[in-house]
Amino acid sequence: GNSVTQMEGPVTLSEEAFLTINCTYTATGYPSLFWYVQYPGEGLQLLLKATKADDKGSNKGFEATYRKETTSFHLEKGSVQVSDSAVYFCARPGASGTYKYIFGTGTRLKVLA
Amino acid sequence: DTAVSQTPKYLVTQMGNDKSIKCEQNLGHDTMYWYKQDSKKFLKIMFSYNNKELIINETVPNRFSPKSPDKAHLNLHINSLELGDSAVYFCASSQDATGGGEQFFGPGTRLTVL
Repeated sequence: GNSVTQMEGPVTLSEEAFLTINCTYTATGYPSLFWYVQYPGEGLQLLLKATKADDKGSNKGFEATYRKETTSFHLEKGSVQVSDSAVYFCARPGASGTYKYIFGTGTRLKVLA
Repeated sequence: DTAVSQTPKYLVTQMGNDKSIKCEQNLGHDTMYWYKQDSKKFLKIMFSYNNKELIINETVPNRFSPKSPDKAHLNLHINSLELGDSAVYFCASSQDATGGGEQFFGPGTRLTVL
């Protein structure tokens, strides 16, 4: 079936550390892929997306590359800040005709000063 | 200007009561959603409307009833509230129901049932 699997958290890093949050997907075809971020007390907001294989999405220093060979869309940032502390969700559209989005379980990131 | 707004932001109520949460989007989108987020941050889709037509109706107790008076509004009414209904409820919208575009989320309504 269609699913999204992301690494369990929490992830705790020191400021300026390198971040990777893994996300893999199963799908027939090549769906668009998304990373959403949820800051404390807020709703989810789109962080970045990629609409086809080999695309790289980027925003606010975060990047993710759509890799069809490994069916992955890992989120990376070279130097995290305390303000990046949030929950990150990998997501993709559901199967055609279901109208749903499929979200990963979320990975909580805590960045220490 | 707030794109997706929800009221109230916090709702504390007793078991057995009936309550409603309202959602409005000013983005001109055709599709709106209700999600439930539990304490572990897991997101569960509940309902979706496209141009006022119900298109997603997940396995949700029938105490939950959505209503979409027009495509800019999607409300959620909950009857006979139970302890397990305590969660954060998010409204979201997207341009259409094809699933390829971004979803815009409201700030959430934290429901606490005592």
